Amino acid sequence: DAGITQSPRYKITETGRQVTLMCHQTWSHSYMFWYRQDLGHGLRLIYYSAAADITDKGEVPDGYVVSRSKTENFPLTLESATRSQTSVYFCASSEGTSGYNEQFFGPGTRLTVL
Amino acid sequence: AQKITQTQPGMFVQEKEAVTLDCTYDTSDPSYGLFWYKQPSSGEMIFLIYQGSYDQQNATEGRYSLNFQKARKSANLVISASQLGDSAMYFCAMREGSGYALNFGKGTSLLVTP
Repeated sequence: DAGITQSPRYKITETGRQVTLMCHQTWSHSYMFWYRQDLGHGLRLIYYSAAADITDKGEVPDGYVVSRSKTENFPLTLESATRSQTSVYFCASSEGTSGYNEQFFGPGTRLTVL
Repeated sequence: AQKITQTQPGMFVQEKEAVTLDCTYDTSDPSYGLFWYKQPSSGEMIFLIYQGSYDQQNATEGRYSLNFQKARKSANLVISASQLGDSAMYFCAMREGSGYALNFGKGTSLLVTP
């Protein structure tokens, strides 16, 4: 199906473990984003990518790593999960970043770090 | 500094009434875009409406309209004829002309009552 998908939808892990959240889009959008949503903070940008092999930090990048070897995939890795990384993670994509180019969001991944 | 401020954590409105959700923003970039997203209890982010800084007219999309007051740096969302299905979190977001990602406010929770 066309669109933007995230997997897994729910994940429980333990402190110190490595976790990878997957994001896949079928529109061939150039831009992809990772946000985290926490109560009282709205959505905050973790990392973004302007094209394959081009990534850059957002507002809250510490403890996260991203890669983008293919245009359609943008995985987010927590190298050593901490309790403060318990959150809902949203992946988004857009065709461009000017004017009306809205961001399309995936369904989110709810991550709990015990 | 917070770029997007939503001062109403929660709002109530009766079905079929109109409701205004407040959003103020802060930027020195003359080119920017303002977005509103809806997040129902199911969690997905749904794009509602967009207003560009150079747009002469207020944006409208069905029952949604944006009251854009550039001098006051406000971009309030107006929902006319509220429906029970409008109950959700609403986020205001801004993308500055020089940036890629969206800066989100903390959101307003809207409850529509019968």
